[in-house]
Amino acid sequence: NAGVTQTPKFRILKIGQSMTLQCTQDMNHNYMYWYRQDPGMGLKLIYYSVGAGITDKGEVPNGYNVSRSTTEDFPLRLELAAPSQTSVYFCASSTGLAGVPEQFFGPGTRLTVL
Amino acid sequence: AQSVTQPDIHITVSEGASLELRCNYSYGATPYLFWYVQSPGQGLQLLLKYFSGDTLVQGIKGFEAEFKRSQSSFNLRKPSVHWSDAAEYFCAVAAGNYGQNFVFGPGTRLSVLP
Repeated sequence: NAGVTQTPKFRILKIGQSMTLQCTQDMNHNYMYWYRQDPGMGLKLIYYSVGAGITDKGEVPNGYNVSRSTTEDFPLRLELAAPSQTSVYFCASSTGLAGVPEQFFGPGTRLTVL
Repeated sequence: AQSVTQPDIHITVSEGASLELRCNYSYGATPYLFWYVQSPGQGLQLLLKYFSGDTLVQGIKGFEAEFKRSQSSFNLRKPSVHWSDAAEYFCAVAAGNYGQNFVFGPGTRLSVLP
């Protein structure tokens, strides 16, 4: 049982390039999330999904896109990368059951945009 | 809107000393509250959580937290800190219909002196 896995661990992009951050969970969780973490700012929610085919914006969605075609996978797409997107990105998942909202986190992807 | 504040950005304690990390939240209903720990270069690990019932909750690694509704606080404590406790600590409140949307505080970085 690997939990939540993310690839890649590190990536450097040039301004204007695009990339996809991969996230997979093997816990059969309905809910999945993408956060970014900037120094001194805690974690900010980018997008979340409550099940396959259903996604919604979080607090900071601009510049990102997501899709959820399966329960296991929740990729995050960056189009036209900008220096402001330099951050550490965390994927998380939870059961979505009422009363049990604990989120499980992946190890993170450190992205630098130059 | 929900919010979480952690008044202390950085705390330094000596090994063996007691620890208290402060967390205050703003939420209209009965909150789900969490403390997570993040070691350098790692993802977030759940320390403990509060849903209802006993206001003093025990977690892993010898940590405990006390929920005080009248003060809107959920402070984290440990009676004797170990060098391995040096990390970043995040308080979070869960919102949404099933508590699926987390709001994180900015974090408190703990340093431990030998």
